[in-house]
Amino acid sequence: DQQVKQNSPSLSVQEGRISILNCDYTNSMFDYFLWYKKYPAEGPTFLISISSIKDKNEDGRFTVFLNKSAKHLSLHIVPSQPGDSAVYFCAASPSNTDKLIFGTGTRLQVFP
Amino acid sequence: DTGVSQDPRHKITKRGQNVTFRCDPISEHNRLYWYRQTLGQGPEFLTYFQNEAQLEKSRLLSDRFSAERPKGSFSTLEIQRTEQGDSAMYLCASSRDRVNTEAFFGQGTRLTVV
Repeated sequence: DQQVKQNSPSLSVQEGRISILNCDYTNSMFDYFLWYKKYPAEGPTFLISISSIKDKNEDGRFTVFLNKSAKHLSLHIVPSQPGDSAVYFCAASPSNTDKLIFGTGTRLQVFP
Repeated sequence: DTGVSQDPRHKITKRGQNVTFRCDPISEHNRLYWYRQTLGQGPEFLTYFQNEAQLEKSRLLSDRFSAERPKGSFSTLEIQRTEQGDSAMYLCASSRDRVNTEAFFGQGTRLTVV
């Protein structure tokens, strides 16, 4: 039972353009959503989060959008840089617990 | 702040042996989490501690798995009678408050059971 889904296993974007990574979820009890970036041989690194009471959160080049009615969130990276090439994980936290439920990840490649 | 530290980074063991992993969280973080990641999957929650209290355990954590955080600082994860299906990356994370405020992950321990 995959409660957090990232249906695109990979994405390739040209440097300077926008990268859009998508995530869908099924559990309406999720109250926080987070994005993590992972390089090979390293642990995941926190990028940005959003509370379920908001629909947008922005931090520099990174913006997360939340559409609760569609149970969908997305991460926008503008402009994309080669150093952004990594695996991106969407994660959600239920309101009654302290754990994160992760998606399967999307591998982003930013080419020159 | 040296971040979350995990030891060892790699472990190869024979099926049936016991293994123990250690995690040192960021010093002022009272929450500590263990996750497991297999190839092509996202991290899967195993268990978490608030200070020394183990507050939640996943059904993935069979009776061969045990985790401790005796003084509310470092934590250990032991796997008894390892099986090939236990081969995975074991990740530890810590946070100051609820995980939604940001959890910092260590580099993980890669376990290979042969």
